[in-house]
Amino acid sequence: EDQVTQSPEALRLQEGESSSLNCSYTVSGLRGLFWYRQDPGKGPEFLFTLYSAGEEKEKERLKATLTKKESFLHITAPKPEDSATYLCAVHPSGGSYIPTFGRGTSLIVHP
Amino acid sequence: NAGVTQTPKFQVLKTGQSMTLQCAQDMNHEYMSWYRQDPGMGLRLIHYSVGAGITDQGEVPNGYNVSRSTTEDFPLRLLSAAPSQTSVYFCASSGVSDTQYFGPGTRLTVL
Repeated sequence: EDQVTQSPEALRLQEGESSSLNCSYTVSGLRGLFWYRQDPGKGPEFLFTLYSAGEEKEKERLKATLTKKESFLHITAPKPEDSATYLCAVHPSGGSYIPTFGRGTSLIVHP
Repeated sequence: NAGVTQTPKFQVLKTGQSMTLQCAQDMNHEYMSWYRQDPGMGLRLIHYSVGAGITDQGEVPNGYNVSRSTTEDFPLRLLSAAPSQTSVYFCASSGVSDTQYFGPGTRLTVL
């Protein structure tokens, strides 16, 4: 059974204080790992897709990395507008459409 | 493009009532899904469709019904609402990249 575990569940940072969010996964074969951002009262929004170990993607203050067992979402010098819940999802290979989502990390950045 | 739209945004039902949550997408995506999101549980897949006329069950299908008569529309029917179905419901669509585009959600309360 595919599993995705995100840590920490919640994270409070001061503006400018860099940190990382973790997404550990077990899957028989990985087709892709996805990061989404979810603001309160809204649907998740796509951030990144990573396909193979060693791959990195960047967008503004966010950088996502991937190993064979986990992915990190690094947040450099965060701002209050980065406050949101960050979700990780894995899509298995082998023809199954069904993705598995983690429970998310709730990030609050204080000014 | 409107992306993925959902109606209604809010709904209150009494136990035993039935209703349909509407979902539509204008991106010509083959894949569409319904999720429910509960505090501490993350996103759980209810039903999904890989194309018009084809649907399948996800992780938590009991009490819900779906059909897919067109590429654009994927309604979710609650057959006889129960308090355990109080949740936020998200519809999503995706194309060949697996990136999921989520609607704004329907917040459902069953009394």
